[in-house]
Amino acid sequence: GENVEQHPSTLSVQEGDSAVIKCTYSDSASNYFPWYKQELGKRPQLIIDIRSNVGEKKDQRIAVTLNKTAKHFSLHITETQPEDSAVYFCAAVYNNNDMRFGAGTRLTVKP
Amino acid sequence: NAGVTQTPKFQVLKTGQSMTLQCAQDMNHNSMYWYRQDPGMGLRLIYYSASEGTTDKGEVPNGYNVSRLNKREFSLRLESAAPSQTSVYFCASSPSGAGTDTQYFGPGTRLTVL
Repeated sequence: GENVEQHPSTLSVQEGDSAVIKCTYSDSASNYFPWYKQELGKRPQLIIDIRSNVGEKKDQRIAVTLNKTAKHFSLHITETQPEDSAVYFCAAVYNNNDMRFGAGTRLTVKP
Repeated sequence: NAGVTQTPKFQVLKTGQSMTLQCAQDMNHNSMYWYRQDPGMGLRLIYYSASEGTTDKGEVPNGYNVSRLNKREFSLRLESAAPSQTSVYFCASSPSGAGTDTQYFGPGTRLTVL
């Protein structure tokens, strides 16, 4: 089955700086890569996603890049704000239903 | 629309007890999922139902059973609860598969097994 690794496990940045979170996956058949934000005690919320036929996608301050050859994908958050503080999870989906999550990155944005 | 709802919100069980977690969605989605989230970890797929009448095992199915009661409802049953099943359980739904459409998560059920 698929295995997703996520780094770093914790990340602390100053407000206004950029944050980058990286993930790798093992199954080349995976074709959909969502990113979720989870605040304490809340459900995961989708913030951005990318499909295997696209190399990069951007939505305002958030962007995701995908390197299928290397099986890497990354989340980039620019101009970070304190409200970006949360745990972020990457995931990879194969066989259209089996979603495997990374272990999460706790992002802290210091004012 | 309520989206995805789960009951109960909290539950405490003793080892060996059984219980059923309920999940319902009102978005007419075909696919439904059960995940568990342990402290400091990502979600892990327990079971899923790609469409009404079908269920399949996910990454961590041992100790659980599921029922897709109808298109709206997907329940998760613990027959004999163990402390290792202490976790937060999330139900999710998707129009036609997690790899095709966005998954919508319920608010979660926090389960403690003593």
